[in-house]
Amino acid sequence: EVQLVESGGGLVQPGGSLRLSCAASGFTFSTYWMSWVRQAPGKGLEWVANLKQDGSEKYYVDSVKGRFTISRDNAKNSLYLQLNSLRVEDTAVYYCAREGSRSGDPFDYWGQGTLVTVSS
Amino acid sequence: SYVLTQPPSVSVAPGKTARITCGGNNIGSKSVHWYQQKPGQAPVLVIYYDTDRPSGIPERFSGSNSGSTATLTISRVEAGDEADYYCQVWDNIGDHWVFGGGTKLTVL
Repeated sequence: EVQLVESGGGLVQPGGSLRLSCAASGFTFSTYWMSWVRQAPGKGLEWVANLKQDGSEKYYVDSVKGRFTISRDNAKNSLYLQLNSLRVEDTAVYYCAREGSRSGDPFDYWGQGTLVTVSS
Repeated sequence: SYVLTQPPSVSVAPGKTARITCGGNNIGSKSVHWYQQKPGQAPVLVIYYDTDRPSGIPERFSGSNSGSTATLTISRVEAGDEADYYCQVWDNIGDHWVFGGGTKLTVL
């Protein structure tokens, strides 16, 4: 059974940092693109970043470029998102999602999300 | 950047057909994926590559994509279909994924 379990969310002050983790199981993690998607309270889905199987390609939404860093450890079946210089508007539930083996494949599995709250 | 436009809400009576649109510039040339999200839950893929259904998704769910509009069609709507629905495409100009704003489906 495919499982994605996020962790690392919490309350942080503006300007602070957090590191989110996504533990994957039930599939060969190293053969899939992976993404982070967020959802602000009461709002729609916003894609944040994705990462190719070997880490050689990564893409970000403009609003997080230079502040967030996506990475992965295929030996540990884990995906990460380093969040720096956090802003109030980064408050959201952050989901880890599995893409396919090809760029452009849909997100066929999602975690349950971890809540990040940026507030003073 | 590429923009996807969905109606904020669609209402339909049980047993009828719901159509949720997703508009974008020449979206017919792109591959569209659709997700269903119920309150407090993670999204679930319901249609991928315009028309394909993942295993476990009822045949009542179908998709089409042409010109400037992609459409998610739900036939014989049930109370359990009430949810938010999002379309998604890969913008290969900006190298990023784009979601539509979402449509809240209400079953009357």
